Amino acid sequence: SQQGEEDPQALSIQEGENATMNCSYKTSINNLQWYRQNSGRGLVHLILIRSNEREKHSGRLRVTLDTSKKSSSLLITASRAADTASYFCATDYGSARQLTFGSGTQLTVLP
Amino acid sequence: NAGVMQNPRHLVRRRGQEARLRCSPMKGHSHVYWYRQLPEEGLKFMVYLQKENIIDESGMPKERFSAEFPKEGPSILRIQQVVRGDSAAYFCASSPGTGWEQYFGPGTRLTVT
Repeated sequence: SQQGEEDPQALSIQEGENATMNCSYKTSINNLQWYRQNSGRGLVHLILIRSNEREKHSGRLRVTLDTSKKSSSLLITASRAADTASYFCATDYGSARQLTFGSGTQLTVLP
Repeated sequence: NAGVMQNPRHLVRRRGQEARLRCSPMKGHSHVYWYRQLPEEGLKFMVYLQKENIIDESGMPKERFSAEFPKEGPSILRIQQVVRGDSAAYFCASSPGTGWEQYFGPGTRLTVT
């Protein structure tokens, strides 16, 4: 089964609102990364948070990590129509460098 | 600095034909990863390579699939005798020797008819 699961599966909000997506995983990790994928396109790397970090910011993005609950959240503030995309969390663990992806959250920002 | 390059972007093959997907990593990156994405799903790891070496192929199907990353030139993912179930988007990612971030190419969308 997949390492990560995103929640919700789909989210629709108005432009200017904040969007929060959650990711849960099953085993201890080294790092957790968030990616964005526009429809039919490749993945864009957003942010990486290490297992010993609790919060990280990048522009309008805020990521938190709770290793005791094996979960992470991605907050996008002041959303824009251009933020419409699928968002995936991906984890790596142990000595393996492969990423294990969740099933994604489809975010729609309405103008 | 050019990103990860993949070609072709779209590939149509009939059942039984061979598909060859190419990936050129970002400049300075020596690690290449291949992932497959089925419709409406997340990406699934297939194989991890460094120059001339397969490091981890735990996600590769046992038959018909192979990958290489030669000393010179791009990494190649090869699918022999394609079947309809191979239809998917195939993404390549690269990373430098240090650091954990992986940077993805635009993908190759394979359609098997």
